[in-house]
Amino acid sequence: LAKTTQPISMDSYEGQEVNITCSHNNIATNDYITWYQQFPSQGPRFIIQGYKTKVTNEVASLFIPADRKSSTLSLPRVSLSDTAVYYCLVEPNTNAGKSTFGDGTTLTVKP
Amino acid sequence: SQTIHQWPATLVQPVGSPLSLECTVEGTSNPNLYWYRQAAGRGLQLLFYSVGIGQISSEVPQNLSASRPQDRQFILSSKKLLLSDSGFYLCAQQGAGEQYFGPGTRLTVT
Repeated sequence: LAKTTQPISMDSYEGQEVNITCSHNNIATNDYITWYQQFPSQGPRFIIQGYKTKVTNEVASLFIPADRKSSTLSLPRVSLSDTAVYYCLVEPNTNAGKSTFGDGTTLTVKP
Repeated sequence: SQTIHQWPATLVQPVGSPLSLECTVEGTSNPNLYWYRQAAGRGLQLLFYSVGIGQISSEVPQNLSASRPQDRQFILSSKKLLLSDSGFYLCAQQGAGEQYFGPGTRLTVT
């Protein structure tokens, strides 16, 4: 499984766009990039997944450059409720994946 | 849709006592199931995963064990708890490209 590196913490203010970058230099050809969000005392929740270029859903965008050695989760116009830990995972998109969750990025949104 | 139940929600146990945490899932057959532990302020550590009844793989050697007596039931156990077993225990089910997590059990070993 490819190792990922993310910033330990980030601060932002309400209404701003937040970009969290994850490095994964050893990503394999069959690996996908998945981001999860976790609130205190809850299990992580899937946010978005991508393989290359750009993916967008109703809550976030995921930007993946051509070499796929990094990815950026973009949260548009964050609110206080977006304060959470965000995890970047790189793993095969199979039904037998064993996810490796690092320590994630703690995002704190301030008023 | 996948629904995952875990109980108890919280548990306080003395050192040396036994442990049994239960996870049940709904909405799918023969799911891949996982047990994770999360220490305070840290990421998730994969403890066990199971691809079917009676099939358990351990990721970290420790005093914990897991069993899968039924297709949709996954149990985490210990014969004698250690202080270091304290943490937030999460059961997860593999979906199509993502994992679904249960509500977790907060275990405090005193």
